[in-house]
Amino acid sequence: DSGVTQTPKHLITATGQRVTLRCSPRSGDLSVYWYQQSLDQGLQFLIHYYNGEERAKGNILERFSAQQFPDLHSELNLSSLELGDSALYFCASSVGIGGNTEAFFGQGTRLTVV
Amino acid sequence: AQKVTQAQTEISVVEKEDVTLDCVYETRDTTYYLFWYKQPPSGELVFLIRRNSFDEQNEISGRYSWNFQKSTSSFNFTITASQVVDSAVYFCALSVYTGGGNKLTFGTGTQLKVEL
Repeated sequence: DSGVTQTPKHLITATGQRVTLRCSPRSGDLSVYWYQQSLDQGLQFLIHYYNGEERAKGNILERFSAQQFPDLHSELNLSSLELGDSALYFCASSVGIGGNTEAFFGQGTRLTVV
Repeated sequence: AQKVTQAQTEISVVEKEDVTLDCVYETRDTTYYLFWYKQPPSGELVFLIRRNSFDEQNEISGRYSWNFQKSTSSFNFTITASQVVDSAVYFCALSVYTGGGNKLTFGTGTQLKVEL
């Protein structure tokens, strides 16, 4: 158990809908990252938050948004869902902000868009 | 831009064989970090090891060992005496701190199948 908690584990929704994925980082970790894993794109970085502030952005679609709350949990909002958004979404956390601390991943949320 | 290449898509071995997973990375930065993660069939990503660009000392941890060579931009991972429980997808990743934030650039993964 990495200590990173993601909910829900599975999510099935229809095209055009909006969903929210939730992540609770390990105790003491200030950084939260979101990654998307799909068969065609592999593991792709979406966004990095540190202590509530957005610090780095990857190829995150405009239909996607995220935030980190004062209690350090994070949410990833996906809207106007398309079939191609079906993927495994991982949240990870680390103590620091740089690569000198390893990121620990949650079990992921498997999103299926039908 | 950073890039990680794992040329081996799938490797099959018989239990107790040694197996090496290859990883080649590209970056122009002089300070960077390399990682290996394991993704078993259950789906979670499990951290295995982190190395920084200034530490080329190779490491052995139980049946696992890592060979970091800056001259060839490689960070290979060897499992000695493989076991069925080692069956998983293994990802090599690279991190470069941009001063603003951090992200991992992953390779495409190597599927390791260990059979009896």
